[in-house]
Amino acid sequence: DIQMTQSPSTLSASAGERVTITCRASQSISSWLAWYQQKPGKAPKLLIYKASSLESGVPSRFSGSGSGTEFTLTISSLQPDDFATYYCQQYNSYPLTFGGGTKVEIK
Amino acid sequence: EVQLVQSGAEVKKPGESLRISCKGSGYSFTTYWISWVRQMPGKGLEWMGRIDPSDSYTNYSPSFQGHVTISADKSISTAYLQWSSLKASDTAVYYCARQGSSSWYIDYWGQGTLVTVSS
Repeated sequence: DIQMTQSPSTLSASAGERVTITCRASQSISSWLAWYQQKPGKAPKLLIYKASSLESGVPSRFSGSGSGTEFTLTISSLQPDDFATYYCQQYNSYPLTFGGGTKVEIK
Repeated sequence: EVQLVQSGAEVKKPGESLRISCKGSGYSFTTYWISWVRQMPGKGLEWMGRIDPSDSYTNYSPSFQGHVTISADKSISTAYLQWSSLKASDTAVYYCARQGSSSWYIDYWGQGTLVTVSS
């Protein structure tokens, strides 16, 4: 199985700050990576697919980059609605695997 | 509008069987796969397996193979996740999700079904 490691596990930030979350794969996954946002008690929501493609309707302050084994999700200016947990997921091969999650908290 | 509507919360005893459902609408049900994802209380997301509703071909995560069964009835656009003998450790929220058949990422999620297993 491909292991996905996210860092940090928790991030404290203020509204307006630039935030970066990192996701590392245990082997190359090309660009087959997605990012999801999950709020408490809700289903995850797709933000980014193919490492850097923004899902329709997702604000442009979200961006993704990377390929191979190292990826990042950046929120250019954190908004109150962005406080949530973020997960990366590889879909290069089965079983699909998720990172452990990064909780973005209010500082 | 794409929707995946899951069946309601369940409370079961260890050893009991259970089947939960996920009904798709707003798209061609046989054009996309359905994945199931587990989220244990306070924990992260775990992919369990997927089914192609057009032919019922399945892939399972080794972590879940043999413990759950994924099936689908394309005539009613519904996928299922089934247990024959529940354990307390199966307590979790289970999500169904739409997965692309050409690009395998998940783009839509059901609302989740909470399964509680307790004696």
